[in-house]
Amino acid sequence: DAGITQSPRHKVTETGTPVTLRCHQTENHRYMYWYRQDPGHGLRLIHYSYGVKDTDKGEVSDGYSVSRSKTEDFLLTLESATSSQTSVYFCAITKGQTYNEQFFGPGTRLTVL
Amino acid sequence: DAKTTQPNSMESNEEEPVHLPCNHSTISGTDYIHWYRQLPSQGPEYVIHGLTSNVNNRMASLAIAEDRKSSTLILHRATLRDAAVYYCILERGGSQGNLIFGKGTKLSVKP
Repeated sequence: DAGITQSPRHKVTETGTPVTLRCHQTENHRYMYWYRQDPGHGLRLIHYSYGVKDTDKGEVSDGYSVSRSKTEDFLLTLESATSSQTSVYFCAITKGQTYNEQFFGPGTRLTVL
Repeated sequence: DAKTTQPNSMESNEEEPVHLPCNHSTISGTDYIHWYRQLPSQGPEYVIHGLTSNVNNRMASLAIAEDRKSSTLILHRATLRDAAVYYCILERGGSQGNLIFGKGTKLSVKP
């Protein structure tokens, strides 16, 4: 157990509404990541963070923003949700000084109607 | 980014060894080879990683070809709990953990 929680675990929202997903870790690790997973596909990196207020874009960052004001929390925001953002979102962390091994949270299933 | 190619699916019998192949012909010298697996309705789970030499851990072994253009994940004795999607991933050294997942291999284990 890497001490990662995600909230909410499930959410249904309507197109055009803002949505924020939260990833919380209890062990103060430096690196945190947000991925999305769509049916029949592997995970795709959205954004990642390498410290408080230090973030960078991943493979599919358009339409998403992130914030990290505290070590333990990494927030993913959809400013105006679209149906194409219906997906399962996973948060991950790496421990220590190596980022070879990522630990994933339980996921958030988001449906945009 | 270098890509990986894996079979879409494989089947194994319980308690037999499983060899999961991965081709990565465009791998560069600083790319690490990672394997993760994902059980149904769960997040991915780290299995093993390597750079050039073969690696062993409590979960599996990783055999890396001498030219590094392919690798094989070896589960020594498959159990029903090993049924999952297995992802072979290349990570560029210095990329700060930016993993590029493919579609993976769905492993079925028969009792």
